[in-house]
Amino acid sequence: DAMVIQNPRYQVTQFGKPVTLSCSQTLNHNVMYWYQQKSSQAPKLLFHYYDKDFNNEADTPDNFQSRRPNTSFCFLDIRSPGLGDAAMYLCATSRAAAVLEPQHFGDGTRLSIL
Amino acid sequence: KQEVTQIPAALSVPEGENLVLNCSFTDSAIYNLQWFRQDPGKGLTSLLLIQSSQREQTSGRLNASLDKSSGRSTLYIAASQPGDSATYLCAVAPNTGGFKTIFGAGTRLFVKA
Repeated sequence: DAMVIQNPRYQVTQFGKPVTLSCSQTLNHNVMYWYQQKSSQAPKLLFHYYDKDFNNEADTPDNFQSRRPNTSFCFLDIRSPGLGDAAMYLCATSRAAAVLEPQHFGDGTRLSIL
Repeated sequence: KQEVTQIPAALSVPEGENLVLNCSFTDSAIYNLQWFRQDPGKGLTSLLLIQSSQREQTSGRLNASLDKSSGRSTLYIAASQPGDSATYLCAVAPNTGGFKTIFGAGTRLFVKA
């Protein structure tokens, strides 16, 4: 089945140690999103790619970066994780403008900071 | 600034009950509204998407309505089952351009057998 796959499901890193989360999709969607979701809170959009065009949300910390080497893969890099970055990170895709079609989500990566 | 609110934050009902989840948003300038389901420790699954020109959408036991002028949407679940236990989130896509989707914090539903 076509899907959005996030690896790893659980990631533990040390305070200040860079970490990379990955997302892959077999849907061939041209838009990919990264959300941060803290416990019992709404998912918060960090950034998205429309093809190769990167779009950062205004309030996304500089500590968060992203790469999309090809249509299928997208990475979230956290350069110096702080305790406040512990959260579930969700990747999503959509075929065209999100306004027209629902987004498809992966199962997320739960990040813990020691 | 668009804000999405979901009330109640949590709900517990006996199996078989019909129930309504509420979502309100502050700015009616939206392209669409979506309802998602999230199981514990999992991602989101899209349940229903209502375009701004539509009033409602139905899928099986689920019916979602949209009143854009009043900034409200409801998700109606008929004959609830224990398998419906999950968090239900609504999200709006502002028609200000771009791909931003703004989520509510969700209603955590528990259906007792």
